[in-house]
Amino acid sequence: DVKVTQSSRYLVKRTGEKVFLECVQDMDHENMFWYRQDPGLGLRLIYFSYDVKMKEKGDIPEGYSVSREKKERFSLILESASTNQTSMYLCASSSNKETPYGYTFGSGTRLTVV
Amino acid sequence: GEDVEQSLFLSVREGDSSVINCTYTDSSSTYLYWYKQEPGAGLQLLTYIFSNMDMKQDQRLTVLLNKKDKHLSLRIADTQTGDSAIYFCAGGAFSASKIIFGSGTRLSIRP
Repeated sequence: DVKVTQSSRYLVKRTGEKVFLECVQDMDHENMFWYRQDPGLGLRLIYFSYDVKMKEKGDIPEGYSVSREKKERFSLILESASTNQTSMYLCASSSNKETPYGYTFGSGTRLTVV
Repeated sequence: GEDVEQSLFLSVREGDSSVINCTYTDSSSTYLYWYKQEPGAGLQLLTYIFSNMDMKQDQRLTVLLNKKDKHLSLRIADTQTGDSAIYFCAGGAFSASKIIFGSGTRLSIRP
């Protein structure tokens, strides 16, 4: 019954590496989101997408990019990983056709940059 | 834009009721939500309330909405150890792409 799948639960990368975090949803949702979660800071929106090939910057897009080539897949890219990008990354999806419009989240990827 | 605020921590004794509070700024929010995050996991939609309702009850959960004060609360009756989690309040206006989350309240249970 898994609906939003994040490819890795734990990831360790080196400073300067290019990192890809993958998210796939099987609910045909139009909207997809990437958040990072840090203690005391709650959820911070990095990027979101309303449709295939569409992307919008969230509150903290610096150092990140995204790709949405297919409706079900939304990738977060760290162009050159840095230690301050060590965090829990959460992917979510939603649909404007399904009230009450709530988001469905993946299990998260805990990324450590060393 | 919408802002959602909640306290960071709450500690209650097992068997007591827990009340988690939240305030929001955007009175046009169509739905207001409570999400639960267990350790090491993503967020799970716990319950929600439509903005024209004052109260919603679902088993041990009661959601109260005070639109005048823009205050939302979640009451968990007979709190159990399995209720230990972070609870996020969230609000959204009209569509599925504008939900704003609070910082989360960590609920811990004392024996």
